[in-house]
Amino acid sequence: ETGVTQSPTHLIKTRGQQVTLRCSSQSGHNTVSWYQQALGQGPQFIFQYYREEENGRGNFPPRFSGLQFPNYSSELNVNALELDDSALYLCASSLEVGRGGEQYFGPGTRLTVT
Amino acid sequence: SQKIEQNSEALNIQEGKTATLTCNYTNYSPAYLQWYRQDPGRGPVFLLLIRENEKEKRKERLKVTFDTTLKQSLFHITASQPADSATYLCALEIGGYQKVTFGTGTKLQVIP
Repeated sequence: ETGVTQSPTHLIKTRGQQVTLRCSSQSGHNTVSWYQQALGQGPQFIFQYYREEENGRGNFPPRFSGLQFPNYSSELNVNALELDDSALYLCASSLEVGRGGEQYFGPGTRLTVT
Repeated sequence: SQKIEQNSEALNIQEGKTATLTCNYTNYSPAYLQWYRQDPGRGPVFLLLIRENEKEKRKERLKVTFDTTLKQSLFHITASQPADSATYLCALEIGGYQKVTFGTGTKLQVIP
């Protein structure tokens, strides 16, 4: 086990709704990255937070937003859900990505949008 | 944008043989390349990292090579075991850019 936890494990939402996913980082890690993984695909980088500031973003629209808290836990918020948002959402904590830092992944939240 | 290709979606090998997985990338040269293992329904688990100035890295039965001329990394599992069956992902990070790009993965099946 990596020490990274995510909640909830599974979630079903309706198109147009909003969702908040949560991640608790490994102790001492100040960087968290969020990924979206569709079935049969590799994880796709959404964004990264370092010491509560967004520190890099992938090709995702602004309706994907995040927060990182002083205790380094974080949230991923998705507004106006679309069917294509159905995926496994992974968070990964590290000491510092950008120096080749090993990332510790949580088990993921499986989101289904109907 | 950076593109990563892993040689095949699936690879079946006999127990005891060496599994070799390929990761090819285009465009920029990454500062680091990482390999992860992912089991069904679980998050990826970090295995090995290799830097752009390193040719080879080993860890127990695992070996990674990195050829920046060919823009390719090879991942080897020697004396493979059924417990090695999983999806293996390569990921690269461009120096100075806080973004990690993953390949689509190769599903390895080790047959007893």
